[in-house]
Amino acid sequence: EVQLVASGGGLVQPGGSLRLSCAASGFTFNNYAMTWVRQAPTKGLEWVSGISSGGGGRFYADSVKGRFTISRDNSKNTVYLQMDRLRAEDTAVYYCANDVTVANGRYFQYWGQGSLVSVSS
Amino acid sequence: DIQMTQSPSSLSASVGDRITISCRASQSISTYLNWYQQKPGEAPKVLIYAASVLQSGVPSRFSGSGSGTEFTLTISSLQPEDFATYYCQQSDTTPQVTFGGGTRVEIK
Repeated sequence: EVQLVASGGGLVQPGGSLRLSCAASGFTFNNYAMTWVRQAPTKGLEWVSGISSGGGGRFYADSVKGRFTISRDNSKNTVYLQMDRLRAEDTAVYYCANDVTVANGRYFQYWGQGSLVSVSS
Repeated sequence: DIQMTQSPSSLSASVGDRITISCRASQSISTYLNWYQQKPGEAPKVLIYAASVLQSGVPSRFSGSGSGTEFTLTISSLQPEDFATYYCQQSDTTPQVTFGGGTRVEIK
């Protein structure tokens, strides 16, 4: 059974930091790129960041570039999102997902349950 | 940036109805278009990728079509468990991707 278990969320003050983790099982983790997608309360989905299967390629949405850092440890089947200089508008549920590339597209196949990040004073 | 516009933003339909949800891209994205279903309190789930390919395990009442800038998700016979919000997502501008604003489907 595929599982993606996210952790590390919580309440943080503006300007603070958090590190999210996403532990994967049930599939060959190091064969897949991974991604983080967030959803602000009552809002839609927003892609945040992605990392290649080997970790050499890291990509960010403009809204988080320079503040968030994605990384992965393939020996632990885990992807991370280090979030610094957090703002109120970063408040959201953060989902991790594996990123599948096929001949005619790319999509997010398996999703974790989400980790809530609240930025407030 | 490519903008994705879904319509309608919400709809109400009866069990057994055929419904369609539209997604328009601000520029051509070929068939780099995916559809996701999200139920309240749950993570999204992929239904369709590459505009028309049904993800394994997804019921055949779901189908997708379109190319370029106009895409459609169709549910041929709405079931009670289909109450959810549906999102389109373009992957043409990889690695960045963008989602549509969502369509909430309510069962009458």
